[in-house]
Amino acid sequence: DIQMTQSPSSLSASVGDRVTITCRASQSISSYLNWYQEKPGKAPNLLIYTASSLQSGVPSRFSGSGSGTDFTLTISSLQAEDFATYYCQQSYTTPRTFGQGTKVEIK
Amino acid sequence: EVQLVESGRTLAQPGGSLRLSCAASGLTFSNSWMHWVRQAPGRGLVWVSRFNSDGSVTNYADSVKGRFTISRDNAKNTLYLQMNSLRAEDTAVYYCVREGAGRGMDYWGQGTLVTVSS
Repeated sequence: DIQMTQSPSSLSASVGDRVTITCRASQSISSYLNWYQEKPGKAPNLLIYTASSLQSGVPSRFSGSGSGTDFTLTISSLQAEDFATYYCQQSYTTPRTFGQGTKVEIK
Repeated sequence: EVQLVESGRTLAQPGGSLRLSCAASGLTFSNSWMHWVRQAPGRGLVWVSRFNSDGSVTNYADSVKGRFTISRDNAKNTLYLQMNSLRAEDTAVYYCVREGAGRGMDYWGQGTLVTVSS
């Protein structure tokens, strides 16, 4: 199985900050990497697919990059509604696997 | 509007069985890859099972293989998860999820909490 490792596991940031979350795959997954946002009590929401494509309706402050084994999710200017947990997930092969999550908290 | 609505009995004893249903609307269900993903309380997301669009391929996480069975009824636009030999560690919120072709898991149900306890 492909292991997905996110860093950091949590971070504290202020509104307006630039935030970067990284995700590393245990083997190459080309660009088959997706990012999700999860808020308490709600289903996850797709933000980015195939590493860098912005899902319809997602604000442009979210962006993704990377290929192979190393990927990044960037929030260019953190907003109050962005405090949540973020997961990466590979869709290169089955089983689909998720990172352990990164919790973004208010500083 | 796309909707995925999970339903089913959600409390079982260890060793027992449950069946979850997921009714889909607003999308072309017969062309969709469908998944079950679960999340134990306070934990991360874990993929459980997948059914491809034409019904020819199913896959399972090792933790549920031989105990869970995924199925679909394209005429009813419904996905199922039959869960047998349940264990306490199967306690989780179960999500029904659609994977768009090469576009990630783009639609999620609201989730249903399955509790396995004596």
